[in-house]
Amino acid sequence: GQNIDQPTEMTATEGAIVQINCTYQTSGFNGLFWYQQHAGEAPTFLSYNVLDGLEEKGRFSSFLSRSKGYSYLLLKELQMKDSASYLCAVRDSNYQLIWGAGTKLIIKP
Amino acid sequence: GAVVSQHPSRVICKSGTSVKIECRSLDFQATTMFWYRQFPKQSLMLMATSNEGSKATYEQGVEKDKFLINHASLTLSTLTVTSAHPEDSSFYICSARDSSGGDADTQYFGPGTRLTVL
Repeated sequence: GQNIDQPTEMTATEGAIVQINCTYQTSGFNGLFWYQQHAGEAPTFLSYNVLDGLEEKGRFSSFLSRSKGYSYLLLKELQMKDSASYLCAVRDSNYQLIWGAGTKLIIKP
Repeated sequence: GAVVSQHPSRVICKSGTSVKIECRSLDFQATTMFWYRQFPKQSLMLMATSNEGSKATYEQGVEKDKFLINHASLTLSTLTVTSAHPEDSSFYICSARDSSGGDADTQYFGPGTRLTVL
């Protein structure tokens, strides 16, 4: 079956760095996405990886290793507004998005 | 960036009535749109894939006669919840796939519609 695993919840301190991991087992691979979702709101697109390596976008970076079925989202200089759920999603061979359950990130002052 | 709008943002209705939710891609054409529902503290559940000009593809367990989907143009898809019941109360979110080649065929989400059925 298809499976996306990510931690349920993480806590970090304002100004620090946090890494949210995502491992996947899917039928085929056509890219991995990270989305941010604040409580009561729809997800917003953060990043996309299809090749191995690191993609950097400001304070956020996303890494992919296809051979290991592994990705992480790195958030630097954490701000209180970064408190949200972070969803990992993989596009499979049918171009369907398979969603992880999300990681709730709690930022403490 | 690509913008997807959804209307209404919040609706409260009586049991037995029908509710229509619109999803529009504002600055790009979307041949494919997706409808999700999300219960509190749970991940997104794909309900159906809406293809412009053809019938929607429903996920297993989703009643197509209850959740009517129409994708009449490249920028508009509608979801109608027919004869709504309290158990249909949920957060309904649409997304549109930008197939123009930029941003790797990314899905962009509408802001969601919170449906409460009394």
